[in-house]
Amino acid sequence: RKEVEQDPGPFNVPEGATVAFNCTYSNSASQSFFWYRQDCRKEPKLLMSVYSSGNEDGRFTAQLNRASQYISLLIRDSKLSDSATYLCVVTTGTASKLTFGTGTRLQVTL
Amino acid sequence: EAQVTQNPRYLITVTGKKLTVTCSQNMNHEYMSWYRQDPGLGLRQIYYSMNVEVTDKGDVPEGYKVSRKEKRNFPLILESPSPNQTSLYFCASSRTGGFIYEQYFGPGTRLTVT
Repeated sequence: RKEVEQDPGPFNVPEGATVAFNCTYSNSASQSFFWYRQDCRKEPKLLMSVYSSGNEDGRFTAQLNRASQYISLLIRDSKLSDSATYLCVVTTGTASKLTFGTGTRLQVTL
Repeated sequence: EAQVTQNPRYLITVTGKKLTVTCSQNMNHEYMSWYRQDPGLGLRQIYYSMNVEVTDKGDVPEGYKVSRKEKRNFPLILESPSPNQTSLYFCASSRTGGFIYEQYFGPGTRLTVT
């Protein structure tokens, strides 16, 4: 089993739709969780950290479920500019080691 | 402007010819790391450094070397490149405080080894 797993997609959604991605992780001792966004052939950029109580940033909501070992990202009112690959990142083992999921591709259309 | 720079951005080389990809950050970050990204495999960590003169292996260190003589620089060295090292490479940095904060990535280096 991979340490961090994501559905690769693509998720094709119309503008204005709500879309959710999940990411599962295998190490129950994982400490920190992040969602990054990566545009085609560009560097990843932090979208948001994921906190135990869940957190929201505008149209984006992140949740952590430690019991089931997954994190989720909800995007409301999707925009064309949200089209990108979303990477789930988990610190595993020592806090200095990060593991990336392979990413979920989102395509928002008119 | 806070940034991570990498050079070169594109490199085509031949098997066995030693090369170095430079990485530099201007944010005084303690933590720096190298990743490679391949289709279907995502980003995989090659080496990381918690501070000057402190480096450690990531998931795929074979065929690579690093050094951290100064806080701002973290070069990636391929002593004898092979075609399976053809990939997109990213350098990243972050501050630390017991755990890793947001990672800032460089623009990437696209390496082709023929």
